[in-house]
Amino acid sequence: DTAVSQTPKYLVTQMGNDKSIKCEQNLGHDTMYWYKQDSKKFLKIMFSYNNKELIINETVPNRFSPKSPDKAHLNLHINSLELGDSAVYFCASRPGTGLEQYFGPGTRLTVT
Amino acid sequence: GIQVEQSPPDLILQEGANSTLRCNFSDSVNNLQWFHQNPWGQLINLFYIPSGTKQNGRLSATTVATERYSLLYISSSQTTDSGVYFCAVGVKTSYDKVIFGPGTSLSVIP
Repeated sequence: DTAVSQTPKYLVTQMGNDKSIKCEQNLGHDTMYWYKQDSKKFLKIMFSYNNKELIINETVPNRFSPKSPDKAHLNLHINSLELGDSAVYFCASRPGTGLEQYFGPGTRLTVT
Repeated sequence: GIQVEQSPPDLILQEGANSTLRCNFSDSVNNLQWFHQNPWGQLINLFYIPSGTKQNGRLSATTVATERYSLLYISSSQTTDSGVYFCAVGVKTSYDKVIFGPGTSLSVIP
């Protein structure tokens, strides 16, 4: 029973393309996140959604657009992909403010 | 904004040795977690520890929130402990924001 799942696990695409990464959690949590991990392993928050509402947008280029169709899903759509977008993207969820986060397995995006 | 530092940045241990990893943060936080990222990239929850001490097998953690640091103890290290250890703090703002430290890269050699 996977708590936080992401698809796809690997994504290789060319510059200029548009791609989406999907995230689902079956924990009943109210808050979901997207993080980016760069090549130096540094993890940085990108977006936070609480009950389908955007809470945090950390100065991410507007080519990145999160969408939350319901409380259990938070998808990430990326337009006009650039080489610098290559990274591992993690989805996470937590039951409420200040509580424990649970991470998905990550999606490794490679832009060529 | 809040700064999160971890030390040491890199650590090599002989199997069976003990170690202490440190996380310092520059402002008040409302929660703190320790994660282990294994060599396959998976982020594994170790401890949710905004204050106090917790133990789980060979691992234990202590957070002294008033002094703005947390420690992760690994005893009798095993090769499977290799990977990167992150601390992440929750910031007391009008919304829920999490800041990760840069991590400690641990290699346990047989």
